[in-house]
Amino acid sequence: QKEVEQDPGPLSVPEGAIVSLNCTYSNSAFQYFMWYRQYSRKGPELLMYTYSSGNKEDGRFTAQVDKSSKYISLFIRDSQPSDSATYLCAMSGTAGNQFYFGTGTSLTVIP
Amino acid sequence: EADIYQTPRYLVIGTGKKITLECSQTMGHDKMYWYQQDPGMELHLIHYSYGVNSTEKGDLSSESTVSRIRTEHFPLTLESARPSHTSQYLCASSGYRDRGLRQYFGPGTRLTVT
Repeated sequence: QKEVEQDPGPLSVPEGAIVSLNCTYSNSAFQYFMWYRQYSRKGPELLMYTYSSGNKEDGRFTAQVDKSSKYISLFIRDSQPSDSATYLCAMSGTAGNQFYFGTGTSLTVIP
Repeated sequence: EADIYQTPRYLVIGTGKKITLECSQTMGHDKMYWYQQDPGMELHLIHYSYGVNSTEKGDLSSESTVSRIRTEHFPLTLESARPSHTSQYLCASSGYRDRGLRQYFGPGTRLTVT
C-alpha cells in the first residue's frame, strides 16, 4: 500500500471556481502536511504546511487536515488561470526529515 | 526565487556511460535531497544528506551514489547508465525556515538513456 494516495486528475475548472484537492494517507505517524505547486518544467515550490489536525488559510488557499480520517485537503477559492499547475501533497513524521509525496493532481483553470 | 541549480537540464546518453548530475545551492542549507520523478508517479527520495560528509539512501532503491564534500554541492553519479534510469531527477535543499519543511527544488534534470 502506498504511503500517500492522491487522485492524479486531470482537473479542469472555469476561472473563479472553487477547487478541492485531496490526499489520503496510511501512516498515522505523519505530523506535518504540506502542499507543493509545480509548474511545467519547474521544480515544486511549497505553498503551505500544517501541523497535526486543523485548518490553515493563506489568501485564496486553505489547507485542512483530518487526522482521524487520514485525509487532507487543499481548497483554492476564486481560481485563476495562473493556478494551472500540478499540486502535490507531502507528509512527514518529523519536521525536516524524510518526506512522502503524492503523485500530484494536474489542475487547469480555463479563462 | 530559489537559489538552487541543476546541470545539465537535459541529457541523452547511451547505455553503459558514467554520468554525474550536478546540484548546487547558495543558501547555506545543511539538508539536501535527490528525488526521482516519473510521469503520474510520486516523487521518490533516492538520497539525502544532513551535512558535509553525511549521506543516506532514501526509500527508493537506486544504483546511484552521492557525495557531500562541500555544503553547497551535492552531485549524483550513475556509474553505468541503463534505460531504466530514464527519469526526471530533482535536487532539493532545506534550512531552518518553516521548521525545515520548506524544501527548495531545482528545475530538474531530465535524463534519457538510450
